[in-house]
Amino acid sequence: GAGVSQTPSNKVTEKGKYVELRCDPISGHTALYWYRQSLGQGPEFLIYFQGTGAADDSGLPNDRFFAVRPEGSVSTLKIQRTERGDSAVYLCASSLIAGEGQETQYFGPGTRLLVL
Amino acid sequence: GDSVTQMEGPVTLSEEAFLTINCTYTATGYPSLFWYVQYPGEGLQLLLKATKADDKGSNKGFEATYRKETTSFHLEKGSVQVSDSAVYFCALSDQDKLIFGTGTRLQVFP
Repeated sequence: GAGVSQTPSNKVTEKGKYVELRCDPISGHTALYWYRQSLGQGPEFLIYFQGTGAADDSGLPNDRFFAVRPEGSVSTLKIQRTERGDSAVYLCASSLIAGEGQETQYFGPGTRLLVL
Repeated sequence: GDSVTQMEGPVTLSEEAFLTINCTYTATGYPSLFWYVQYPGEGLQLLLKATKADDKGSNKGFEATYRKETTSFHLEKGSVQVSDSAVYFCALSDQDKLIFGTGTRLQVFP
């Protein structure tokens, strides 16, 4: 079946603007994760949803970042007042369930965000 | 907090050479361990995983054994191919989020 999809694949914006990044998880997956990958680094955790609720948002860097998953499927990561340091690839992943860290997370292709 | 350390790259090998990419971890509990691979122009894919001590994960000729005594999860392959050229990430699960190493680029030449 279809994998995790993310839109847009690339986003260029200006400093101070607002952006939304969308993630469509694999159908039936209840857990959804957002990570951020800077150049030459491994992905860093941002937030994770179990169903509609954010189960762990400890990785969000500050209050400019916010994510929602209103119906327990599609999720949107929202960044307000973007800064040049927000430039990175934003990755979304989903897993069938969230349980004790053993579940495989399936990653989307990412959205490459460039803040000018 | 929990962390993962993996060897810096790039690792450059000739086809059919033996591969080892070192990975060590620090964790307070008993995490699951993963190797993910990122081929050029593609997204992260799970390569293999191990969920408890002494487990061996294997896939596509790659292997890694969960060594609790040395807190390691080294990736090995007996004979690499040009098509194995990619960036390899070691990761552990901290409850439900993944903590990744910085990645090791492998370049295999014919």
